[in-house]
Amino acid sequence: EDQVTQSPEALRLQEGESSSLNCSYTVSGLRGLFWYRQDPGKGPEFLFTLYSAGEEKEKERLKATLTKKESFLHITAPKPEDSATYLCAVHNAGGTSYGKLTFGQGTILTVHP
Amino acid sequence: DAGVIQSPRHEVTEMGQEVTLRCKPISGHDYLFWYRQTMMRGLELLIYFNNNVPIDDSGMPEDRFSAKMPNASFSTLKIQPSEPRDSAVYFCASSFWGNQPQHFGDGTRLSIL
Repeated sequence: EDQVTQSPEALRLQEGESSSLNCSYTVSGLRGLFWYRQDPGKGPEFLFTLYSAGEEKEKERLKATLTKKESFLHITAPKPEDSATYLCAVHNAGGTSYGKLTFGQGTILTVHP
Repeated sequence: DAGVIQSPRHEVTEMGQEVTLRCKPISGHDYLFWYRQTMMRGLELLIYFNNNVPIDDSGMPEDRFSAKMPNASFSTLKIQPSEPRDSAVYFCASSFWGNQPQHFGDGTRLSIL
C-alpha cells in the first residue's frame, strides 16, 4: 500500500527565515509526485509535479526536489502570504488504479511578519 | 478559465436526510475525482471516473454513498441516509489525463446534525 508521510506537521517561521518541508513516500513505482498548497476554506492548488529522482522545479520562493525516497519543498525568504497548508501526493505506477493519488497529511506553515 | 465548480458551498442538514453534492469539471478534462477531507483522516479519495465511467470506488465508505457522472460536464455525490460522521469537506477535482495534475474545486462543507 502506498504511504506518504509529511514532516513537520506544523512549522512556524519568521519572515525571511528559509526552511524546508519533507515528504517521504513508499510506492511500488513512482509515476509522479505532486505538491499542492491549500488555503483555509479553499481547495488544494497545484504547485509542482516531479517525475524522476534528481528533478527540480521552482516557482517564486518555492523549490521542489525529488529523490528515490523523498521530496523536499524549500522555501526561501518566506513572506506571510506563503502561510498555508502544503500537501504532497504520489501517483503509483503499479496496480490498476491509474490516476489515483495518495496524499500526505500536510504541513501547516505559518510565516510571521 | 473556469475552474472546477462545486455546489453547494455549505450544506447543513439533519441526520437521515438525503444529501446531493454537485460538481462541474474543467472542460476537456477526462478524469473526475471525489475526495473527502477531515482533520483526522486528511484528504481521502472516494471514487474517480474516466470518460464518465467509474474506475475505482474502493474509497466509498459504505453503501449510503453513491456517485454518478451522466455526462462529461456534471457529476453528483449522494449520501442517503446521512449520518453525523459524514460531516466533512467534500472536494471534486478533475484532470486532463491520469498522470496530469488534478485541479480542485473549493469544496462543499457538509454538516450533518
